[in-house]
Amino acid sequence: RKEVEQDPGPFNVPEGATVAFNCTYSNSASQSFFWYRQDCRKEPKLLMSVYSSGNEDGRFTAQLNRASQYISLLIRDSKLSDSATYLCVVNTYNFNKFYFGSGTKLNVKP
Amino acid sequence: DAGVTQSPTHLIKTRGQQVTLRCSPKSGHDTVSWYQQALGQGPQFIFQYYEEEERQRGNFPDRFSGHQFPNYSSELNVNALLLGDSALYLCASEAGDSSYNEQFFGPGTRLTVL
Repeated sequence: RKEVEQDPGPFNVPEGATVAFNCTYSNSASQSFFWYRQDCRKEPKLLMSVYSSGNEDGRFTAQLNRASQYISLLIRDSKLSDSATYLCVVNTYNFNKFYFGSGTKLNVKP
Repeated sequence: DAGVTQSPTHLIKTRGQQVTLRCSPKSGHDTVSWYQQALGQGPQFIFQYYEEEERQRGNFPDRFSGHQFPNYSSELNVNALLLGDSALYLCASEAGDSSYNEQFFGPGTRLTVL
């Protein structure tokens, strides 16, 4: 079983739409969680960390559900520039390894 | 302030050859991790260096080895290259080795094995 699993998509949405991605993780000892964004043929860049209480950054909201072992990312009012692959990342304190999901591709259409 | 830099940007090798990739961490960072990203996949953790020692290792064979220098820069070496080693190799740096740190990625080295 993979450490982190994501729906690969693609999610094709019109501008202005709200879209949500989920990601599940297998290790209950996982301690820190992140969403990274990766544009085509570029390196991953941090979008936001995910905190237990949930957190929001502008149009982006991240939530963590430890009981069900999943994290989510909600994007409101989608922009063309949001088109990218979104990578879910989980880290476990004892091992300090970043485990990446395979990514969810988002295409925002005019 | 330079971010994470990697060299070379692209590399073409043949099966059986050896390759060395280089990484300079972001200023102020002392921990370097290496990842392999195959096409259409997420990055896979290879290993992490902190204080010039390999601290953690992913599920990669011994053909993959590395080194960290006193200035915190790092090298990834791959011996006896296989076709399946073709991928984007990413280096990431952070300050310290806390699991809560954000990792900053370099632009990667795209390795093609023929």
